[in-house]
Amino acid sequence: DAGVIQSPRHEVTEMGQEVTLRCKPISGHDYLFWYRQTMMRGLELLIYFNNNVPIDDSGMPEDRFSAKMPNASFSTLKIQPSEPRDSAVYFCASSATWDRGNTGELFFGEGSRLTVL
Amino acid sequence: RKEVEQDPGPFNVPEGATVAFNCTYSNSASQSFFWYRQDCRKEPKLLMSVYSSGNEDGRFTAQLNRASQYISLLIRDSKLSDSATYLCVIPTSGTYKYIFGTGTRLKVLA
Repeated sequence: DAGVIQSPRHEVTEMGQEVTLRCKPISGHDYLFWYRQTMMRGLELLIYFNNNVPIDDSGMPEDRFSAKMPNASFSTLKIQPSEPRDSAVYFCASSATWDRGNTGELFFGEGSRLTVL
Repeated sequence: RKEVEQDPGPFNVPEGATVAFNCTYSNSASQSFFWYRQDCRKEPKLLMSVYSSGNEDGRFTAQLNRASQYISLLIRDSKLSDSATYLCVIPTSGTYKYIFGTGTRLKVLA
């Protein structure tokens, strides 16, 4: 079974450029999460979706960040314009509703490592 | 106070030792609790859920103390392969907003 798939795995870009990170959740999962991980701040929840609808985006740092989920099998996180302080590993995760007999486990993708110069 | 707090460590222990980590949480209404493991430069993976009555999985034991608002993870007979960062995860009550602690780093030494 395919897990959560993220692309690109690594991205190096220059300050001011647009960055788009992509995620394909596990088929059948109705929750999708975007996290950012840095040494200083750990894993921070940026935004999560339920059935393609954003539920909580209070973790999105500022207007330069936006996330979309046009359908159940695809989501994007966009940073425009990017800044050096955006350098981090961005993880996408998916989960299924707990009341379907699921344990609530979050399944993570391998992450996208972003470096902004 | 942060919603979820952990001692970052590192905890350096010899092989075969028993080690325990705690994770405190601020929301007394929290209902679900998890421990995740993250290896260096890898994604986090579920280690175990934490049930009210406590639960055990081989060398790993997880417990919940609601009165003092913390969960614990006990690892017995530590192996070199247990070296990793252990993250506690607590969804905000009534939501799917999974909040991660900053993690506790464990190094098991030969």
